[in-house]
Amino acid sequence: GAVVSQHPSWVICKSGTSVKIECRSLDFQATTMFWYRQFPKQSLMLMATSNEGSKATYEQGVEKDKFLINHASLTLSTLTVTSAHPEDSSFYICSARDWASGRYQETQYFGPGTRLLVL
Amino acid sequence: GQNIDQPTEMTATEGAIVQINCTYQTSGFNGLFWYQQHAGEAPTFLSYNVLDGLEEKGRFSSFLSRSKGYSYLLLKELQMKDSASYLCAVRGRVDSSYKLIFGSGTRLLVRP
Repeated sequence: GAVVSQHPSWVICKSGTSVKIECRSLDFQATTMFWYRQFPKQSLMLMATSNEGSKATYEQGVEKDKFLINHASLTLSTLTVTSAHPEDSSFYICSARDWASGRYQETQYFGPGTRLLVL
Repeated sequence: GQNIDQPTEMTATEGAIVQINCTYQTSGFNGLFWYQQHAGEAPTFLSYNVLDGLEEKGRFSSFLSRSKGYSYLLLKELQMKDSASYLCAVRGRVDSSYKLIFGSGTRLLVRP
């Protein structure tokens, strides 16, 4: 199946710093990528939809100025957590859609996730 | 609004059969997915239903009733490695960028 990578896989940072997470589709073009956040023992919460070449669409309650999303190419989307605080510590997962696969039902492929710990 | 309900936890015995239910109320429906997620890992795709009925895939089967807003995932011949969280997710309308709305997940513990 299609492969989506994330980098870094984990990061520890000090409160107040910014952290950038990359999401790449390795063997397909992804016009749309999604960013999720998952707290321990909870399900995935969609944060935003990232569209190549246009602004991201944020879900209600997600601060667009705090979680900056850039989807500059068909294979790369980045999520920057600005001025991170301990409450931002979470598991961040991206997924990407493969328009060309033709396999309608399996159009979202998930990356391995990035674990963020803010001290 | 959007609402997807699953049991929080279930326990079953190795070799047995377990059914995980999911009920949903969403604005528009364009398919229901089941994902498996082991602790600390990303979800992996298990099944997809868009029409009513049963879809079978090896030891895993998934059922959908759109009129009832109901689905279940059936796991047969349970193995210890099946201990994981199982996430039910509904895809919204076509003009919502195919985004998936996830339920809270069901943690399944398989005992020897």
